[in-house]
Amino acid sequence: ETGVTQTPRHLVMGMTNKKSLKCEQHLGHNAMYWYKQSAKKPLELMFVYSLEERVENNSVPSRFSPECPNSSHLFLHLHTLQPEDSALYLCASSQDYRRNTEAFFGQGTRLTVV
Amino acid sequence: DQQVKQNSPSLSVQEGRISILNCDYTNSMFDYFLWYKKYPAEGPTFLISISSIKDKNEDGRFTVFLNKSAKHLSLHIVPSQPGDSAVYFCAASFSGSEKLVFGKGMKLTVNP
Repeated sequence: ETGVTQTPRHLVMGMTNKKSLKCEQHLGHNAMYWYKQSAKKPLELMFVYSLEERVENNSVPSRFSPECPNSSHLFLHLHTLQPEDSALYLCASSQDYRRNTEAFFGQGTRLTVV
Repeated sequence: DQQVKQNSPSLSVQEGRISILNCDYTNSMFDYFLWYKKYPAEGPTFLISISSIKDKNEDGRFTVFLNKSAKHLSLHIVPSQPGDSAVYFCAASFSGSEKLVFGKGMKLTVNP
């Protein structure tokens, strides 16, 4: 149990669908992250939230929309995705955005866009 | 441009022997380095880290070595166990940013 829970674990969606990924952390951390892992590519940081404010947005297409209602929850809203968006989406949290600490990852959501 | 490189995609070792996983980086501003382990269908889990003020950090069977002049770090696992079979990611960051830059990962297989 890593303390970071992601739902759903698997998601198949059409290109016209709207879906949301959910992440919840029970570690009392202040920072939360969305990462994308595509085959044969490094983990790509998508979004960073610190104390519920977005602090980084790494040129992610607008069809991905994050939401952080509180420091324990993070959502990734998906709409009009493309097949190339199929990947493993990982949520992570860390104690403090500005300090060098390890991030704790959830198990990920395997997304397939058809 | 990849700032963190794991040039070998896979490694296979015998149980009980040493596993050495290598990682190179290009950004001299990096001052904190981490290794993560990932099993199939699971998220990465933190394994061990090292700050740039050190050249070695040891935790049980796992030791990370940092060579700043060569911009190189390595993870040594000894003795290797079949349960160590996983994908290992090297990551780096620098002070003032929690942005972890990951390598592509390296698959380690430990044969019984």
